[in-house]
Amino acid sequence: EPEVTQTPSHQVTQMGQEVILRCVPISNHLYFYWYRQILGQKVEFLVSFYNNEISEKSEIFDDQFSVERPDGSNFTLKIRSTKLEDSAMYFCASSDEGMNTEAFFGQGTRLTVV
Amino acid sequence: AQTVTQSQPEMSVQEAETVTLSCTYDTSENNYYLFWYKQPPSRQMILVIRQEAYKQQNATENRFSVNFQKAAKSFSLKISDSQLGDTAMYFCAFMKHDAGGTSYGKLTFGQGTILTVHP
Repeated sequence: EPEVTQTPSHQVTQMGQEVILRCVPISNHLYFYWYRQILGQKVEFLVSFYNNEISEKSEIFDDQFSVERPDGSNFTLKIRSTKLEDSAMYFCASSDEGMNTEAFFGQGTRLTVV
Repeated sequence: AQTVTQSQPEMSVQEAETVTLSCTYDTSENNYYLFWYKQPPSRQMILVIRQEAYKQQNATENRFSVNFQKAAKSFSLKISDSQLGDTAMYFCAFMKHDAGGTSYGKLTFGQGTILTVHP
């Protein structure tokens, strides 16, 4: 069964460093998303991406964040200068286009900023 | 903007019994889907069940069913014959779509309910 895969599963980084979280969506999907879940809090939408551009972003997704689909298969989330409050589980998701669209989630990357 | 509220942080149930998880939402949208997602300890979210808001009939998926009360903006999940593998965090989620049914993909989640099934 096709699935969304994310790497790494856990990343530890120093405050102020740049991190790139990687995702491989399901191959025939057209919409891609990043969500995050701070420990003990709800899952929050960050950004959606369609047709090689951002289609929607939340207020969390400020200038420190960027997304890219560099090679037609990977979908990345970059945080330019990490802050302690960026520590969270980051989930990638993808979905097909059309009716009754279901989002498929990856297993997540736990980002720890120290 | 939409909000989704799950008022039960934790629930527990004995194996083989039935449990109901609550969810309420608030929206001004007319066209939307509602979902229940399961997040097992391995932390990959899996879709459990989906309800189209324009359908009055409650969705059912094997042991999982929903009680969708559109006027009350309530969307509860009933798990029958609970199994140990049902132990997980359960999220209620909302997604709007256009009049043709095509969704925009963005999910708004509730806070989650941790369900523990005891042997």
